[in-house]
Amino acid sequence: NAGVTQTPKFRVLKTGQSMTLLCAQDMNHEYMYWYRQDPGMGLRLIHYSVGEGTTAKGEVPDGYNVSRLKKQNFLLGLESAAPSQTSVYFCASSRQGPLPLNEQFFGPGTRLTVL
Amino acid sequence: SQQGEEDPQALSIQEGENATMNCSYKTSINNLQWYRQNSGRGLVHLILIRSNEREKHSGRLRVTLDTSKKSSSLLITASRAADTASYFCATDAEDSNYQLIWGAGTKLIIKP
Repeated sequence: NAGVTQTPKFRVLKTGQSMTLLCAQDMNHEYMYWYRQDPGMGLRLIHYSVGEGTTAKGEVPDGYNVSRLKKQNFLLGLESAAPSQTSVYFCASSRQGPLPLNEQFFGPGTRLTVL
Repeated sequence: SQQGEEDPQALSIQEGENATMNCSYKTSINNLQWYRQNSGRGLVHLILIRSNEREKHSGRLRVTLDTSKKSSSLLITASRAADTASYFCATDAEDSNYQLIWGAGTKLIIKP
């Protein structure tokens, strides 16, 4: 089991450029999440998905879009990158039945710099 | 908005000593989770404690939960250099809408 993988690991963009971050999990998890982590702060949820074909906004969704066309993949898009989106992005997944929420499994992160 | 707040922000101790980190939160929760993050890596789940539990153990880890004070503590006994990491608490609030709410973390350094 690879667990949760993210591509790419590093990326440098210029302001206004677009890119897509890919998250894949091989644990057949229903729930998937995209977070950003900035220095000295905890994780902030960008978007999440509770199943294939579903997405929902988290705490900081502006400037990002997501898609969950396949259960194992969760894509995060930046249509027009801004320096404020410089951050480390983490994808996570969880096996989920009835609430409360279960533990989350994290990918290794993508370090994004926007110049 | 952040639900959990860890205390202290940073902690430096000698190898072999015990390390205690605290987490406070604001609203009623279903459960509270602790995670570890090694430098430059993703987070790893350590332990989950439900709102009706008061204490839980896992190896050298001991977690307590006091729902009346809205606080939790993580104790690492007999610390090792490999325990050097940041530790985060995350709460599943009763009105969380499928989201965990994260604290800013405690940076733990174990000196050899």
